[in-house]
Amino acid sequence: ETGVTQTPRHLVMGMTNKKSLKCEQHLGHNAMYWYKQSAKKPLELMFVYSLEERVENNSVPSRFSPECPNSSHLFLHLHTLQPEDSALYLCASSQGRGLDRETQYFGPGTRLLVL
Amino acid sequence: GEDVEQSLFLSVREGDSSVINCTYTDSSSTYLYWYKQEPGAGLQLLTYIFSNMDMKQDQRLTVLLNKKDKHLSLRIADTQTGDSAIYFCAVMDSSYKLIFGSGTRLLVRP
Repeated sequence: ETGVTQTPRHLVMGMTNKKSLKCEQHLGHNAMYWYKQSAKKPLELMFVYSLEERVENNSVPSRFSPECPNSSHLFLHLHTLQPEDSALYLCASSQGRGLDRETQYFGPGTRLLVL
Repeated sequence: GEDVEQSLFLSVREGDSSVINCTYTDSSSTYLYWYKQEPGAGLQLLTYIFSNMDMKQDQRLTVLLNKKDKHLSLRIADTQTGDSAIYFCAVMDSSYKLIFGSGTRLLVRP
């Protein structure tokens, strides 16, 4: 499936590095999401953007900084991460917000390892 | 808030039917979803059901919803080795947020 793409697929970074994760959706959707998937924990919603405005920030530490320059692209800027931030970061998009427009389509994820 | 529970593991023989169960707590849930995650991949939307429906069938997949018991199930007929994956139940809560279960790992034995 190529509806939602994420790059890079794998990333290893040190705690002092700065890196960015990129997500792009080709579905004409207006809402985009960042999730964190850690081992043995349910998916955690991090951020929600709707029409390029951040509408939800679920108490995520400031070392994670999202950016949504347009409705097709979403970034997650990372700096001074901790080893416990190692996880699979998933991007998703949906047509909009509200009932049947909420069906979310996911990208393949970026597997992040913080050393 | 909404809580979604799934059993952790299911093992079936190839050709048998698989039934993956999910329970949730918020009776105002509108849409309920099943996603599949293969190793090293993201979540693939399998199917979803609206809360005013009891059943939805899509080829080998059958979704059953019991609103009274807040119970959702996914039945996979004629399970194949390619169906081995983690299956996530997800429920949309009243604020349009998707709440996921912890996932059920399905192992299909040849």
